Amino acid sequence: GQQLNQSPQSMFIQEGEDVSMNCTSSSIFNTWLWYKQDPGEGPVLLIALYKAGELTSNGRLTAQFGITRKDSFLNISASIPSDVGIYFCAGQLPPGNTGKLIFGQGTTLQVKP
Amino acid sequence: KAGVTQTPRYLIKTRGQQVTLSCSPISGHRSVSWYQQTPGQGLQFLFEYFSETQRNKGNFPGRFSGRQFSNSRSEMNVSTLELGDSALYLCASSTSGSTDTQYFGPGTRLTVL
Repeated sequence: GQQLNQSPQSMFIQEGEDVSMNCTSSSIFNTWLWYKQDPGEGPVLLIALYKAGELTSNGRLTAQFGITRKDSFLNISASIPSDVGIYFCAGQLPPGNTGKLIFGQGTTLQVKP
Repeated sequence: KAGVTQTPRYLIKTRGQQVTLSCSPISGHRSVSWYQQTPGQGLQFLFEYFSETQRNKGNFPGRFSGRQFSNSRSEMNVSTLELGDSALYLCASSTSGSTDTQYFGPGTRLTVL
């Protein structure tokens, strides 16, 4: 089946540092989404990307939809303690796969004050 | 606008029992997707409903079923529960489900003893 390879699996960084994580796939996706999940809660949408090459920012977060449509990255600048959590990338396959997101394995981020 | 709501938030059942979980989408959203999240398998797509019809289905056994009502609320049922069904069950809603962004609820934590 389709898979998304997300890396790194975990990161432990100092407050104020920048963070970068990415997802790659052998499949082409129509949409890339980045979510953050806190323990015991559902994923919260951070950024949505709809076009190849698109670069979108949301505050300190920046994400890009790869030109090949098979990859995406998320950057977090000047990390703060509340950035702690698990970050997931998710891709939506071309039409015919309605409502189905394929998720990466997640990147666990820990920030040391 | 209220977010996606799921009830109950926590549930404990024993093997062999059945369970029904409920999801109310964001007002105006007609697509509801269900996901299972476990530490080992991550987030896996179960099925998607749109206008009371199942439009897409993941690779889960027939013990997992769902339905959607005319007001777009959805229920998921798991029959003959197994220990491995213990998971966080998440539902997500979107306007049409094809390329629209999915917004997640907080999830129902199911524990099977």
